[in-house]
Amino acid sequence: AQKVTQAQTEISVVEKEDVTLDCVYETRDTTYYLFWYKQPPSGELVFLIRRNSFDEQNEISGRYSWNFQKSTSSFNFTITASQVVDSAVYFCALNQGGKLIFGQGTELSVKP
Amino acid sequence: DVKVTQSSRYLVKRTGEKVFLECVQDMDHENMFWYRQDPGLGLRLIYFSYDVKMKEKGDIPEGYSVSREKKERFSLILESASTNQTSMYLCASSSGQGGSYTFGSGTRLTVV
Repeated sequence: AQKVTQAQTEISVVEKEDVTLDCVYETRDTTYYLFWYKQPPSGELVFLIRRNSFDEQNEISGRYSWNFQKSTSSFNFTITASQVVDSAVYFCALNQGGKLIFGQGTELSVKP
Repeated sequence: DVKVTQSSRYLVKRTGEKVFLECVQDMDHENMFWYRQDPGLGLRLIYFSYDVKMKEKGDIPEGYSVSREKKERFSLILESASTNQTSMYLCASSSGQGGSYTFGSGTRLTVV
């Protein structure tokens, strides 16, 4: 069965700290897609990144970076030099067979 | 940009009422989805549709039905609302299996 686990329910950091959000997934298929979404207090889910199962290159976008490791079925998300505006709930998701399966979410609080 | 519009941001309904949640997307996406979001549980898939007049059950379809008469519109129906259906409901659309999902702003439904 497909499953996404975000073991960290809540994380609190002080501004400028680096923070890593963990995501572990389970799937039997060889072809799948992984996503990260951000949900700020306004409620709308904002797409951050998509990665397919054949592309294990790490990705960096500004202060955001993602580490995809098939060997450990993990797709972790790091925010460097966090800012108050990064405060949100972050969801990791697995797309297999056209359905998006979400983890439970990690609530990140960045304090000034 | 794809826009997914949910007709109501907040709704309060009484137990036993029939409730319609409407979702419209403007980019000709084939796939549409309804999720509910509850604290600690992440987003759970209720129903989805890959084409007009087509529907598939998600992980938690009990107590819900859907309608897709036109490609751009996907309606979620609570036949007889109950208090345990109090939740945030999110609609999404995508263009294909690997495509990113675009979400609406959500409807916070309270059943009293």
